[in-house]
Amino acid sequence: QVQLVQSGAEVKKPGASVKVSCKASGYTFTGYYIHWVRQAPGQGLEWMGWINPNSGGTYYPQNFQGRVTMTRDTSINTVYMELSGLTSDDTAVYYCERVSGYSRSDYWGQGTLVTVSS
Amino acid sequence: DIQMTQSPSSLSASVGDRVTITCQASQDITNYLNWYQQKPGKAPKLLIYDASNLETGVPSRFSGSGSGTDFTFTISSLQPEDIATYYCQQYDKLPFTFGGGTKVEIK
Repeated sequence: QVQLVQSGAEVKKPGASVKVSCKASGYTFTGYYIHWVRQAPGQGLEWMGWINPNSGGTYYPQNFQGRVTMTRDTSINTVYMELSGLTSDDTAVYYCERVSGYSRSDYWGQGTLVTVSS
Repeated sequence: DIQMTQSPSSLSASVGDRVTITCQASQDITNYLNWYQQKPGKAPKLLIYDASNLETGVPSRFSGSGSGTDFTFTISSLQPEDIATYYCQQYDKLPFTFGGGTKVEIK
């Protein structure tokens, strides 16, 4: 069965970086884009961009450009989302989602809580 | 970026009531709109894509309509398990953007 399993919770200091992993199983890894979405405590959803696991191509919204990097390792069916220059505003649950076609998300990771605190 | 304005931000209704949520886009997005349900502590779940297509396995009491800039999401008969926050998302133009969400509670 399809599964996306994310890495565990992280606590980081302001200015640091965090790298969250999303390990896929149960399907052809290179056949589906992976998107990342985050949700600050008690807030709404914020789309962070995508990676094409086949080509490694990425798209990041302007407000994340220069701070976010999405990569993949096809040998272990894993995608990574690294966010640098952390501030308290980056405290959130980060989700990876598998997207079929252009925009239909069908499977999500369990979420990774990243807490930024001095 | 395309702004998505959802209303209301929260609502309270009785079991069996018809519930309607609206989503307005800041520009024409044709029908490139998703509706998600998110229960507390869980990842979002796609309910409707392309504004009006029900995702496989989603109960038929959920429906969506609209095109252009104005969209509606309806629960025809609210059930206790529908307590959640609902979000619209446009995918007509990058970056994809979400509405602010509508929290649905039972009266």
